[in-house]
Amino acid sequence: GAVVSQHPSWVICKSGTSVKIECRSLDFQATTMFWYRQFPKQSLMLMATSNEGSKATYEQGVEKDKFLINHASLTLSTLTVTSAHPEDSSFYICSAPPVEANTGELFFGEGSRLTVL
Amino acid sequence: SQQGEEDPQALSIQEGENATMNCSYKTSINNLQWYRQNSGRGLVHLILIRSNEREKHSGRLRVTLDTSKKSSSLLITASRAADTASYFCATVLNTGFQKLVFGTGTRLLVSP
Repeated sequence: GAVVSQHPSWVICKSGTSVKIECRSLDFQATTMFWYRQFPKQSLMLMATSNEGSKATYEQGVEKDKFLINHASLTLSTLTVTSAHPEDSSFYICSAPPVEANTGELFFGEGSRLTVL
Repeated sequence: SQQGEEDPQALSIQEGENATMNCSYKTSINNLQWYRQNSGRGLVHLILIRSNEREKHSGRLRVTLDTSKKSSSLLITASRAADTASYFCATVLNTGFQKLVFGTGTRLLVSP
């Protein structure tokens, strides 16, 4: 099946710094990618939809200036957590739909665990 | 919130037993999917059932969908220790835009 790669798998940073997470589709092109956040023992909450070549669409309550999304190519989307604070500590997961499918089925990256000290 | 509810939140069984998880949702859907997540990992797609389907099988998995009750169930037969994971249902809304809304999840523990 299609593979979505996420990097880094974990990162620890100091409060106030910015952290970039990359999401790559390895063997298919993804015009759309989705970014989710998951707190411990909770479900995934959609943060934003990343659109190649245009602005991301953010879900209600998600600060677009806090979580910068760039989808500069058909295989790469990045999420930058700016001025991170301890409450931003979470598991961030990206996903992408295979181009040929129109069912909503998604391929997920392995996730990036962010810890802000 | 459009997020679905799953029950039980946690389920602990012995190897060989069957595990049943239920999912309820709130709005009209295009399809419903089940995903599995091992601890600290990404999600893996298990099975998809369309809104006009009532039951679907895939290996040891059996999914049912009742659109009148807005509910679905996932049955794992003859469970194995390797089935230990969290299981999430996810719905694709009938809005014309493919966006998944995840349920609250069931944590399954299968003991040898």
